[in-house]
Amino acid sequence: SQKIEQNSEALNIQEGKTATLTCNYTNYSPAYLQWYRQDPGRGPVFLLLIRENEKEKRKERLKVTFDTTLKQSLFHITASQPADSATYLCALAAMDNDMRFGAGTRLTVKP
Amino acid sequence: DAGVIQSPRHEVTEMGQEVTLRCKPISGHDYLFWYRQTMMRGLELLIYFNNNVPIDDSGMPEDRFSAKMPNASFSTLKIQPSEPRDSAVYFCASNLGLAEGNEQFFGPGTRLTVL
Repeated sequence: SQKIEQNSEALNIQEGKTATLTCNYTNYSPAYLQWYRQDPGRGPVFLLLIRENEKEKRKERLKVTFDTTLKQSLFHITASQPADSATYLCALAAMDNDMRFGAGTRLTVKP
Repeated sequence: DAGVIQSPRHEVTEMGQEVTLRCKPISGHDYLFWYRQTMMRGLELLIYFNNNVPIDDSGMPEDRFSAKMPNASFSTLKIQPSEPRDSAVYFCASNLGLAEGNEQFFGPGTRLTVL
């Protein structure tokens, strides 16, 4: 069966460090992989998209890698700040626009 | 654009009652998605529409759930009869489809509590 796993439910890091979140999937052939941020009481907000033929994408302090051989994406936040504390979700999109989400990793950045 | 609009924001009802959740997608978006989020199961795709036509409803838990999209600017998700295990946050999302990278825009959600 199809499965999307995010490495841990919670991740705590110190301000200024790099946060690395992992998304692994099985029995999928995604056309896209996306990362979203969700704050308490709100809907997810899109951050980054990476296509199946791309290895890496960057946006400001964010970096996403996509390895279709390992079936894994890594999401990095460099120079993390307390304002980065939130739950981060990875999502896989198939060619027909069917989108499925992982359970999310709750990141806490401590000052 | 005001973004994706959902109503109500909160709904408390008793078991056995009918519940109707409403969604207005972003104008011009061809795709509309309904998700359910719980602590135990995360964000689950229930059903999605393309140009008002249901494409995949395999995520709808059972026959008590139904969704409609009578036009491009309105969709409903109905639960009849509701049960306590339906308690969750229900999100509606829309996007332009794969050709535009399919970034999803989520509404604020409806928090449903079934007593």
